[in-house]
Amino acid sequence: GAVVSQHPSWVICKSGTSVKIECRSLDFQATTMFWYRQFPKQSLMLMATSNEGSKATYEQGVEKDKFLINHASLTLSTLTVTSAHPEDSSFYICSANFAFPGTGGGEQYFGPGTRLTVT
Amino acid sequence: AQKITQTQPGMFVQEKEAVTLDCTYDTSDQSYGLFWYKQPSSGEMIFLIYQGSYDEQNATEGRYSLNFQKARKSANLVISASQLGDSAMYFCAMREGPMGGKLIFGQGTELSVKP
Repeated sequence: GAVVSQHPSWVICKSGTSVKIECRSLDFQATTMFWYRQFPKQSLMLMATSNEGSKATYEQGVEKDKFLINHASLTLSTLTVTSAHPEDSSFYICSANFAFPGTGGGEQYFGPGTRLTVT
Repeated sequence: AQKITQTQPGMFVQEKEAVTLDCTYDTSDQSYGLFWYKQPSSGEMIFLIYQGSYDEQNATEGRYSLNFQKARKSANLVISASQLGDSAMYFCAMREGPMGGKLIFGQGTELSVKP
């Protein structure tokens, strides 16, 4: 099956610093990747849709200047949390869209998630 | 706007018994997909089962089956013969439009299997 990795799996940073999280599709090319945030005991909330070679599409209420998304290649999307604050502490999960050849359709495969703690 | 609702924050089930996790949805689209994911304490999202809006038969995958009632806009997950390893958070999700589109998740149900 399609494999998606995330790095790092967990990170602790100080308030005011920036943190970059990588999402990679290991054995397929993904023109579209998604970034979700999950607070403890809550659901996954879609933050943005990342499209290779173009600007990300952010969901309503998500600060695009704070959560910078770059989808520079067909196998890599990065989420940078800029000037992180304790309220940004959360579990960040990416997913990558695996396109079925010749059908125009696809399915999402999730990465294992990154736990961010801002002190 | 599409919406997914899971009304059971927590459920208990005895080992080896069956359990039903509820999910209702709301959408104006004719073409959509419904998913169930399992999330253990490790945090990974494990895909369980998928039902397309045009599928006439209920989806089944091993011990998992999806009770799809289109007119009632419900997509309940049935887990048969519960195992201790089934203890986890379970999320219902919906995708509007073409496959590969973004997913909207329900609030989740925490299932605990008792020995």
